[in-house]
Amino acid sequence: DVKVTQSSRYLVKRTGEKVFLECVQDMDHENMFWYRQDPGLGLRLIYFSYDVKMKEKGDIPEGYSVSREKKERFSLILESASTNQTSMYLCASRGRINEKLFFGSGTQLSVL
Amino acid sequence: LAKTTQPISMDSYEGQEVNITCSHNNIATNDYITWYQQFPSQGPRFIIQGYKTKVTNEVASLFIPADRKSSTLSLPRVSLSDTAVYYCLVPNTGFQKLVFGTGTRLLVSP
Repeated sequence: DVKVTQSSRYLVKRTGEKVFLECVQDMDHENMFWYRQDPGLGLRLIYFSYDVKMKEKGDIPEGYSVSREKKERFSLILESASTNQTSMYLCASRGRINEKLFFGSGTQLSVL
Repeated sequence: LAKTTQPISMDSYEGQEVNITCSHNNIATNDYITWYQQFPSQGPRFIIQGYKTKVTNEVASLFIPADRKSSTLSLPRVSLSDTAVYYCLVPNTGFQKLVFGTGTRLLVSP
């Protein structure tokens, strides 16, 4: 089965810090996604990537950037963390169009 | 994008059949409909996918009418462990931006 691994399950950072969230998938998937999830707001798409070095903005890209230097790895970067970025972050990947998404276990980020 | 609309929440009892309907009026010709289940503090996981008519697997059934503007996830004889949030996802074929709706929070009681 496909494995999507997020580097940290829990993370605590201070306001203003640069934060890296890492995601690795092992199925050679072209497409990778970063979502954040807050109580009552469902899953909101931050960024996605459909190929190495390619990226597209999702619905809430402000305050975030991404990097996809290798096919298996998709990183989410908070350039200067703020308290309103405290959230659960979920990474997902999939192969071709209409194939199912595979999610990681999530990273609960707290910014103090 | 084919926006999806689902009920915010549903309540059921153990042993009952639960049907959750999702509206997707602007579904494109080549779009499949996929349903996911999410437990607290976990990522969503795939339940079932279909294009038209009926699909059944070991977990659920998916009913899709001929016009494909809606779909119904059917969970037979739910148990307490089926308490979760259920999302339907309808992507735009050829467009990789996958946006989830708000999902349906199902609560199963004894």
